Amino acid sequence: KQEVTQIPAALSVPEGENLVLNCSFTDSAIYNLQWFRQDPGKGLTSLLLIQSSQREQTSGRLNASLDKSSGRSTLYIAASQPGDSATYLCAVFTGGGNKLTFGTGTQLKVEL
Amino acid sequence: EAGVTQSPTHLIKTRGQQATLRCSPISGHTSVYWYQQALGLGLQFLLWYDEGEERNRGNFPPRFSGRQFPNYSSELNVNALELEDSALYLCASSLEGARTYNEQFFGPGTRLTVL
Repeated sequence: KQEVTQIPAALSVPEGENLVLNCSFTDSAIYNLQWFRQDPGKGLTSLLLIQSSQREQTSGRLNASLDKSSGRSTLYIAASQPGDSATYLCAVFTGGGNKLTFGTGTQLKVEL
Repeated sequence: EAGVTQSPTHLIKTRGQQATLRCSPISGHTSVYWYQQALGLGLQFLLWYDEGEERNRGNFPPRFSGRQFPNYSSELNVNALELEDSALYLCASSLEGARTYNEQFFGPGTRLTVL
């Protein structure tokens, strides 16, 4: 059974700081990994999708890396802004039943 | 292009009642997924519908059911509501379900509160 863990559970940083969010998964036989952002009480916004054959993906200030063999992914956020405050979720797709297995999330607060 | 839409935004029911949640996928998408996000439990896969058929089901009791209509929209029904069913229910859609991934796009969710 695939299990996805995110560390830390919560993070508070001052504006402008670079930060790293961690995601680990137990079954390395994944097709891809996706990072989402969720604002309080809202749906999910997809940030980055990394295919299993890829090592990283970049979008603006965001960079996600994937090490499938070790079961780890990181989301790097450069020059954080208060608008980045949200919960960040990683999810893996293993093909079985077409479901995404989500991590527990990291709640990020960027303070002025 | 319109994204995934869900209705209602909020739903308040009492224990024992039935709740019906609705989802309209992105135009051209044939697969619809339902996820539950309960406080303290994280996002859990509920159901997957593709071409009108239930293709996969998460670890939820039979009182969670649904269907997909010919226009690919979907309905989630929760019977005999319990307090712990209070959660944000998210719907997602994708192009036809395939073993390799077709990206899932999520709607804004329906907040179900059971009193």
